[in-house]
Amino acid sequence: DGGITQSPKYLFRKEGQNVTLSCEQNLNHDAMYWYRQDPGQGLRLIYYSQIVNDFQKGDIAEGYSVSREKKESFPLTVTSAQKNPTAFYLCASSTLTEMNTEAFFGQGTRLTVV
Amino acid sequence: RKEVEQDPGPFNVPEGATVAFNCTYSNSASQSFFWYRQDCRKEPKLLMSVYSSGNEDGRFTAQLNRASQYISLLIRDSKLSDSATYLCVVTGGATNKLIFGTGTLLAVQP
Repeated sequence: DGGITQSPKYLFRKEGQNVTLSCEQNLNHDAMYWYRQDPGQGLRLIYYSQIVNDFQKGDIAEGYSVSREKKESFPLTVTSAQKNPTAFYLCASSTLTEMNTEAFFGQGTRLTVV
Repeated sequence: RKEVEQDPGPFNVPEGATVAFNCTYSNSASQSFFWYRQDCRKEPKLLMSVYSSGNEDGRFTAQLNRASQYISLLIRDSKLSDSATYLCVVTGGATNKLIFGTGTLLAVQP
């Protein structure tokens, strides 16, 4: 089945540690996105990528890093520089070649700093 | 000014009511428009795309007003199961990235 998969679903991090969240899609989508959602808040864009080996900062990129070495994969690293990383992280993908095509989301990763 | 703006709500309505949400966008070059639904602690899922001519899906009607740069979602005969956050999404322009509104919380009361 085609889709977008995030792992892990839940992640606990000690302060000062870097952690990497996985996002894989087999939809052949060009664009991939990472969003952060805090309780009762909307989605804020962290990073996005429209082509392999290229990505752009979103609104809240500080303390995060990404890579896009393969079209299917767009991992997000939450670094120790991110001061308040506890949040719900959502990865999405979409095509860039058609009008009115939807974005598909993974099920999300809940990151908690302990 | 935010690229996409929504009234955060909450909208508290009784069952059977009609409720309307609006969303404004700032980039006149935007090309694609969507409404997503997000249930508590879940990922957003597509509710409907929004076409220039307007479109309807059962109790839901979406409209686009390019001149005024807003999209709307109308829900008729609200059900308890409609309680969720509704997110408007805009894409297109120079970067073609997806931009989400902050969402509008709908609570349908029995």
